[in-house]
Amino acid sequence: EAEVAQSPRYKITEKSQAVAFWCDPISGHATLYWYRQILGQGPELLVQFQDESVVDDSQLPKDRFSAERLKGVDSTLKIQPAELGDSAMYLCASSLVAGGDNEQFFGPGTRLTVL
Amino acid sequence: AQTVTQSQPEMSVQEAETVTLSCTYDTSESNYYLFWYKQPPSRQMILVIRQEAYKQQNATENRFSVNFQKAAKSFSLKISDSQLGDTAMYFCAFMKRGLIGSGGSNYKLTFGKGTLLTVNP
Repeated sequence: EAEVAQSPRYKITEKSQAVAFWCDPISGHATLYWYRQILGQGPELLVQFQDESVVDDSQLPKDRFSAERLKGVDSTLKIQPAELGDSAMYLCASSLVAGGDNEQFFGPGTRLTVL
Repeated sequence: AQTVTQSQPEMSVQEAETVTLSCTYDTSESNYYLFWYKQPPSRQMILVIRQEAYKQQNATENRFSVNFQKAAKSFSLKISDSQLGDTAMYFCAFMKRGLIGSGGSNYKLTFGKGTLLTVNP
């Protein structure tokens, strides 16, 4: 069964360092999402791609976060510099296209700890 | 902005019994989707059940069913014959079509804070 892949699964970094997370969506899925899930809360959308284009990045802290999906397949989310408040689970999801009729499939996430 | 409220941070149920998780939401939209997602410990989030707001019939998926009360903006999840594998965090989520940028649109999921369900043997 096809799954969304993410790496690394866990990342520990020090404040002010740069970190990067990778996501490989299910093959053929045009829409890719990055969510941040703070402990004890539900996921919050950071950025949404349709193929290689950003559809919504209104909640992405653009002074330190960047995301790209250059070939419309896999995607990278970067934080530079990391801050203590960035400690969270970063989830990637994909769907065939955007819309309520199309299920979002989630990856296992990357748990980031900033010291 | 849409909000989703799950008023039960934690719940527990005995194996084989029935449990209901509550969810309320706030929106001025008439057409939208509602979802329940399950996040087992250390495993990825998976979709449990989906409801389209224009459909009056409550959605069901095997042991999972919803009670959708559109006027009350309530969307509860009932789990029948609870199993140990149902132990997980359950998130209620709302989706509407939003307009962004140059006439484009997206479908943004807004999640509640979740309910931790423990099924006891």
